[in-house]
Amino acid sequence: QMQLVESGGGVVQSGRSLRLSCVASGFTFSDYAIHWVRQSPGKGLEWLAGISYDAFTKQYADPVRGRFTISRDNSKNTMSLQINSLRVEDTAVYYCAKVLGGSVLGAFHVWGQGTLVSVSS
Amino acid sequence: EIVLTQSPDILSLSPGETATLSCRASQGVSRTFIAWYQHKPGQTPRLLIYGSSTRAAGIPDRFRGSGSGTDFTLTISGLEPEDFAVYYCQQHGVSLAFGGGTKVEIK
Repeated sequence: QMQLVESGGGVVQSGRSLRLSCVASGFTFSDYAIHWVRQSPGKGLEWLAGISYDAFTKQYADPVRGRFTISRDNSKNTMSLQINSLRVEDTAVYYCAKVLGGSVLGAFHVWGQGTLVSVSS
Repeated sequence: EIVLTQSPDILSLSPGETATLSCRASQGVSRTFIAWYQHKPGQTPRLLIYGSSTRAAGIPDRFRGSGSGTDFTLTISGLEPEDFAVYYCQQHGVSLAFGGGTKVEIK
């Protein structure tokens, strides 16, 4: 059974940094692109970033480029999202999601349960 | 950047009725790169449709995706109680983006 489990969320002050992790199981992690998506309170889904199976290609949404960094360690079946200079508007549930198929971009057919990040001013 | 606009924002229907959800892209998108998701409060999003019209594993056939170019539609025939949720379209042809969502609520 394919599974993604996020961790690293919590309450943090604005201006600080945070690193979220996503651990995969049940599939060959090194074969697939993985992405981060968030949902702020009362808002819709927002795509943030994605990384190819070999970490060669990284893509970011314009609003977070330069402040968010995505990475992966295939030896540990783990993908991470480093968030710097946290802002109150970064408060959200952060999900990692697996791409259906072998491309960097695609539909997300496996999602983690999400980790909550709450940024205080 | 391709922007997806979903309409209506809220759809109030009764169980058994048919829901028609619209997703309009700011520029043409290949059918291959359109997906639809269902999201309920406190749950993870669930992939319903990919490639514009292919149902994901385990998705009942009352969910149907269609469209091309800039206009895409998700149709839910015979709404079941468990179908009341928020629905998002997604494009992954040029970068990636979600639409703003349509909430299907019980009338």
